[in-house]
Amino acid sequence: GAVVSQHPSRVICKSGTSVKIECRSLDFQATTMFWYRQFPKKSLMLMATSNEGSKATYEQGVEKDKFLINHASLTLSTLTVTSAHPEDSSFYICSARDASRGNIGNQPQHFGDGTRLSIL
Amino acid sequence: AQTVTQSQPEMSVQEAETVTLSCTYDTSENNYYLFWYKQPPSRQMILVIRQEAYKQQNATENRFSVNFQKAAKSFSLKISDSPLGDTAMYFCAFNAGAGSYQLTFGKGTKLSVIP
Repeated sequence: GAVVSQHPSRVICKSGTSVKIECRSLDFQATTMFWYRQFPKKSLMLMATSNEGSKATYEQGVEKDKFLINHASLTLSTLTVTSAHPEDSSFYICSARDASRGNIGNQPQHFGDGTRLSIL
Repeated sequence: AQTVTQSQPEMSVQEAETVTLSCTYDTSENNYYLFWYKQPPSRQMILVIRQEAYKQQNATENRFSVNFQKAAKSFSLKISDSPLGDTAMYFCAFNAGAGSYQLTFGKGTKLSVIP
């Protein structure tokens, strides 16, 4: 079946560091990818919708200059947390939509394994 | 805006028994999609089952079935014959359809299967 690879799975770094997270669709083309943030024992909060070849669409309250998204190809989207601070520590999850599936009811989204980001 | 409510933060079930997880939602849409996702301790979200709102028949997928009550805006998940591997967070999710691919998630229910 379809697989989404998210890398790295865990990052620990110092405050002020920028961190890049990659999300790859391995056996399908993804014109649309989504980035979520999940706090402990909480639901997934959609941060932004990543569109191949165009600017990402950010949800209200998400700083686009803080969370840079690049979707340069049909199989790769990246999320860069710039100048990360301890409050950015969280679990980040990406998902990808199979572009060959025209109806969301057929196959909504495939999720990556997530990235645990810890800022010291 | 759509909202999804899961009123049970935690549930437990004896191994091989049956449990029902509740989910309600609020929307003004008529044709939409509903999903249940499972997030085990390994963290990857896995689609369990989906329901199209225009279908009256409740979806089933092996040990998983739903009770979809459109008028009541209720979408509960029934898990039968639960093995220990069903221990996970379960999220109810909503999609408005009409070309939108965004999912709105509930807060989740932590299910523990007890040996």
